[in-house]
Parts: sequence; structure tokens; C-alpha cells
Amino acid sequence: AQSVTQLDSHVSVSEGTPVLLRCNYSSSYSPSLFWYVQHPNKGLQLLLKYTSAATLVKGINGFEAEFKKSETSFHLTKPSAHMSDAAEYFCVVSVSGSARQLTFGSGTQLTVLP
Amino acid sequence: EPEVTQTPSHQVTQMGQEVILRCVPISNHLYFYWYRQILGQKVEFLVSFYNNEISEKSEIFDDQFSVERPDGSNFTLKIRSTKLEDSAMYFCASSVIGGRSYNEQFFGPGTRLTVL
Repeated sequence: AQSVTQLDSHVSVSEGTPVLLRCNYSSSYSPSLFWYVQHPNKGLQLLLKYTSAATLVKGINGFEAEFKKSETSFHLTKPSAHMSDAAEYFCVVSVSGSARQLTFGSGTQLTVLP
Repeated sequence: EPEVTQTPSHQVTQMGQEVILRCVPISNHLYFYWYRQILGQKVEFLVSFYNNEISEKSEIFDDQFSVERPDGSNFTLKIRSTKLEDSAMYFCASSVIGGRSYNEQFFGPGTRLTVL
């Protein structure tokens, strides 16, 4: 069975400073990993995905994540936070061969301070 | 930009009543999904649906749940006899294809179900 652990339930940064949202995964098989973002009253939007190609994945809005198999991590980063980045972020895994079923982490609420 | 829509945004019901949550997936998508998130807990997979039948379901998706695509646009989740523990946010999603190659699942904004 696969799972993801988001290490921080809340992260607060100042506008213009770097963002780091941490995610560790567990999977018996070759995983596909994703980050989704949810703004208030909006659906979950895909930020980026890793599907066994390049380990450094670039997504929308300047976000990127690095797949590190040795550390079973898939942390999300952004060099400079913007006020519009304030949202909830979910790290998600799907197991190869069962791409229809996503397993979500518990979410990290990102607050961006002016 | 096409998006998944869900109605209602909030549904309040009495325990034991039947509820139907509605979703309109993106028009050229073929796979449809329901997920739920109980307050303070993780988003959980319920069921996936393709070609008018369930393709995968989780342990949560027991006999009180059913899904249907009653026409060419709607995808519904029915809960026959609601329980207090069914109170949650229910998300609908759709993707162009499913299977071994991942295709992005597009999510709706959710329906908050409150069972009293």
C-alpha cells in the first residue's frame, strides 16, 4: 500500500521569501507523485507531477519539486512566495498500474504574510 | 477554461435520508471519480467510473453508496441512508483517460454534506 506524509500542517512565510513544503512517501511500487493546491472555494488544481522522468519537476506558478528516492521525499519549493500562493497544498501518490486511485496527504496550509 | 462543476455546494440532510450529489465532468473526459474529505482528515478515494461501470472502489464505498451517469453530462453519487459519519466534503473529478499512464484528474470545488 502507498501513503504520503506531509510533515507540516501549517507553514507561514513572508512574501518574497522561499517556500518549502515537505512530503515523504511510502510505496511498494514505482510511484507517481503529485502536488495539488486548493484555494478557498475552488477545486483541487494540479501544480506538478512526477512520473519517473526527470527527478526535478517544474510546475505552474514557479513551483518545483524534486523526487529523491533515497530519502523517499518529494518536497515542494518556490524561490519567492507571493500573496496569491496562500492556499492548502496536498502531496499525492498513485501507484503505477493503478493511476485511477490517488492517495492524498493530510495537507499543508500555507500562509503568506505581507 | 473547462472545469468540473458540482451541485449543491452545501447539502444539509437528516440522518437516514437519501442524498444525491451531482457533478458535471469536463465534456471530453471518460473517467470519473468521487473522493471525500471528513473534516480534519485526509482526502480519500471512494470510486472510479468508466464506460458506465465502476472500475475501482475503496472499502469506504459500501452498499449504501452508488454512482450513476444518468445522461451524457451528469455523474452522481447517491447515499441511500445517510449516517452522521457521512458528513464530509465530497469531491468529484474527471480525467481524459485512466489506466497505467497517469492522466491529470481535474477536481470540482466540492459539495459539503452535513448530516444532522
